[in-house]
Amino acid sequence: QVQLQESGPGLVKPSETLSLTCTVSGGSVTSGSYFWSWIRQSPGKGLEFVGYIYNHGNTNYNPSLKSRLSISLDTSQNQFSLRLSSVTAADTAVYYCARAEVPASRRAFDLWGPGTMVTVSS
Amino acid sequence: DIQMTQSPSSLSASVGDRVTITCRASQSIDRFLNWYQQRPGKAPKLLIYAASSLQSGVPSRFTGSGSGTDFTLTITSLQPEDSATYYCQQSYNTLQTFGPGTRVEIK
Repeated sequence: QVQLQESGPGLVKPSETLSLTCTVSGGSVTSGSYFWSWIRQSPGKGLEFVGYIYNHGNTNYNPSLKSRLSISLDTSQNQFSLRLSSVTAADTAVYYCARAEVPASRRAFDLWGPGTMVTVSS
Repeated sequence: DIQMTQSPSSLSASVGDRVTITCRASQSIDRFLNWYQQRPGKAPKLLIYAASSLQSGVPSRFTGSGSGTDFTLTITSLQPEDSATYYCQQSYNTLQTFGPGTRVEIK
């Protein structure tokens, strides 16, 4: 079955760029049926939608992050990636990659990676 | 942004109890409401989508209802493995937002 796995540095310095990758196994990121998404959860806090990529490159970003955020696809590696620039301590969180179906009637995050903790600290 | 609220923020109930969690949206979201279960240290798991549709593999004791701004998640007979935090999430608009969560503990 399809599985998602996040990877990337667990520690990022303030003002630098956070880069994470989600590897999709058992399925293809080129499928037009899904939004390939990032969601984060700050320690002890709730869940925050970060953004997604779909349809071979269209993106939708959380407006609060849009000026610092980039989500991209690497079809050769069957991965999608997140880059968040100029990070601060407020970006410290567990970052999840997830999949949501495109049809509005089923638009929910039905598959999640296990998550990766990213700490912003000098 | 559409704000999501949940009540209660936490509850404690016994095995076999019927448990109801409420989620309210700051504007109408039709039936674009999903429910997730998150156990400590784990990723969220989809339970209910489109307000009342049970995700494949999820036990039938989980039911969802509602439309517009008011929604409920009911666990008809609480089991020990249901100890977790439950989140609602709206997918009505492109900025999808989550509720703050309801922590369910077993007495």
